[in-house]
Amino acid sequence: GQQVMQIPQYQHVQEGEDFTTYCNSSTTLSNIQWYKQRPGGHPVFLIQLVKSGEVKKQKRLTFQFGEAKKNSSLHITATQTTDVGTYFCAGLRAGSYQLTFGKGTKLSVIP
Amino acid sequence: DTGVSQNPRHKITKRGQNVTFRCDPISEHNRLYWYRQTLGQGPEFLTYFQNEAQLEKSRLLSDRFSAERPKGSFSTLEIQRTEQGDSAMYLCASSAGGGTDWGNEQFFGPGTRLTVL
Repeated sequence: GQQVMQIPQYQHVQEGEDFTTYCNSSTTLSNIQWYKQRPGGHPVFLIQLVKSGEVKKQKRLTFQFGEAKKNSSLHITATQTTDVGTYFCAGLRAGSYQLTFGKGTKLSVIP
Repeated sequence: DTGVSQNPRHKITKRGQNVTFRCDPISEHNRLYWYRQTLGQGPEFLTYFQNEAQLEKSRLLSDRFSAERPKGSFSTLEIQRTEQGDSAMYLCASSAGGGTDWGNEQFFGPGTRLTVL
């Protein structure tokens, strides 16, 4: 079946440093979504990417979708303590409503 | 509060018992999803409803699990003959959408934490 892999599993950064998490799917995706889950919370939608090579920005967050629509990345510039949480990518295959989540990257920010 | 709500928030049960969880989606959302999440993992898709129709179900889902959405509004997830391996957070999500739009922003509820003793 479809697999979505994310690296790294954990990342500890000093406040102000940049952070990147990478997502790779075993199959071509129709779109990819990113979610953030704070400790003790539920996943909260960040963004959806649909087009090959798409790049979207949200303030300090930059999201990319690979040309082959099999990989994606999330980059955070100048991390803040409010960025703490686990970031999940989730891929959707064509013809399916099943969103397959990666295991997530847990981000810790040291003030 | 107009978000997704789930009840109960916590459930402790003994192995072999049946449990039922309820999800109330955002009222105008026709799409409803159930997921299961264990510690250190991402949410695992269980099933999907569009209005009252169950259109997709995980192939890995045991037949002890059943879900309904009888009037296209709230949904219930029932687990029969619970096992210790069923212990997890059960998340419900809803989204708007229709036609050929396969994916859309999903709004998650707070989840029901199930502990099977």
